[in-house]
Amino acid sequence: AQSVAQPEDQVNVAEGNPLTVKCTYSVSGNPYLFWYVQYPNRGLQFLLKYITGDNLVKGSYGFEAEFNKSQTSFHLKKPSALVSDSALYFCAVRYGQNFVFGPGTRLSVLP
Amino acid sequence: NAGVTQTPKFQVLKTGQSMTLQCAQDMNHNSMYWYRQDPGMGLRLIYYSASEGTTDKGEVPNGYNVSRLNKREFSLRLESAAPSQTSVYFCASLSLGGGSYEQYFGPGTRLTVT
Repeated sequence: AQSVAQPEDQVNVAEGNPLTVKCTYSVSGNPYLFWYVQYPNRGLQFLLKYITGDNLVKGSYGFEAEFNKSQTSFHLKKPSALVSDSALYFCAVRYGQNFVFGPGTRLSVLP
Repeated sequence: NAGVTQTPKFQVLKTGQSMTLQCAQDMNHNSMYWYRQDPGMGLRLIYYSASEGTTDKGEVPNGYNVSRLNKREFSLRLESAAPSQTSVYFCASLSLGGGSYEQYFGPGTRLTVT
């Protein structure tokens, strides 16, 4: 069965420091992987995706993610965190017409 | 270009009441989805529609029905609301143009069932 795990409920990082939000997945076949961000009282917004090609993908707002097939991981990264990056982050995997989302990781960037 | 719109934004129901959540998209997408979001559980798929005239169950369909009225609109109905259906409901549509696979989400409906 397809599944997505985000092992950390909460990640705290100081402004200006690098951040990593972790995601591991289980899916049959080649994975289509996504990161979405949710700000308070808003819908989810697309950040980036991996479908094929380079393992390091770049997305919106300076975020990037690294696909690691052997570790079945797709961690979200940013070299220098901003207070405005504080939000709820979801990893997702596509299978067929559907998508499975992880439980979410709350990122708090402290000034 | 409004993207994905949802109505209402908030709703309080008593147990046993019925209601319909409305969703519309203006991006000419074929596929549309209904999710519910509960704390610590991420988004769970209730129903989806791969194209106009088709609907399929997702992970948590019990207690819900859907209608794909046309290409733009995809509604979710609760026939007899239960407290367990207290949640935030999101509608989304899927872009397949250029191999995108990006989902566009509406702003959500916060439903409380007492």
